[in-house]
Amino acid sequence: QVHLVQSGAELKKPGASVTVSCKASGYTLSNFGISWVRQAPGQGLEWMGWVSGYNGNAHYVEKFQDKVTMTTDTSTGISYMELRNLRSDDTAVYYCARDFEAGTLDFWGQGTLITVSS
Amino acid sequence: EIVLTQSPVTLSLSPGERATLSCRASQSIAGYLAWYQQKPGQAPRLLIYDASSRATGIPARFSGSGSGTDFTLTISSLEPEDFAVYFCQQRSKWPLTFGGGTKVEIK
Repeated sequence: QVHLVQSGAELKKPGASVTVSCKASGYTLSNFGISWVRQAPGQGLEWMGWVSGYNGNAHYVEKFQDKVTMTTDTSTGISYMELRNLRSDDTAVYYCARDFEAGTLDFWGQGTLITVSS
Repeated sequence: EIVLTQSPVTLSLSPGERATLSCRASQSIAGYLAWYQQKPGQAPRLLIYDASSRATGIPARFSGSGSGTDFTLTISSLEPEDFAVYFCQQRSKWPLTFGGGTKVEIK
């Protein structure tokens, strides 16, 4: 069965960077893309972008263009999201999700809480 | 970007009752709409995709309908485990966008 397992919670200071990993199992990573979605405390869901599992091409929402890099490593089955220049309003749970139909997210990781605080 | 507006924000119902949730898009998205359920402390779970197709393992009491700009998620008879927040999401155009959510709570 399909599983996405993410790395653990992190506490970061403003201005720092963080990388969240997302290990896929139960399917071939190169056959599907991975989307990243975040959820601020008590808020709704915000799509950040998508990375191809096949060739690593990535597309980012404009507001995250200068802040995020998404990659995949097909040899290990792991997708990564790096967030740079963290601010307090980046505090959120970050999810990876398998994109099975050009924008339908059928399996989700458990989420990674990133807390940004001085 | 396409804005999705969900209503109502909160729906107070009893187990066994029918729940009807609405999602309206700011422009036509054909049938490219999904519904997700999220419980506290958990990741969202895909319920319905392409407006009316149930995802694998989703009970038949969940159904979706609509096209263009107006969509509905119906839960025919609420079970205790159905009390949660529900989000709609469009994939017609990037960026993918989500509605603000409807909380289905126990009356």
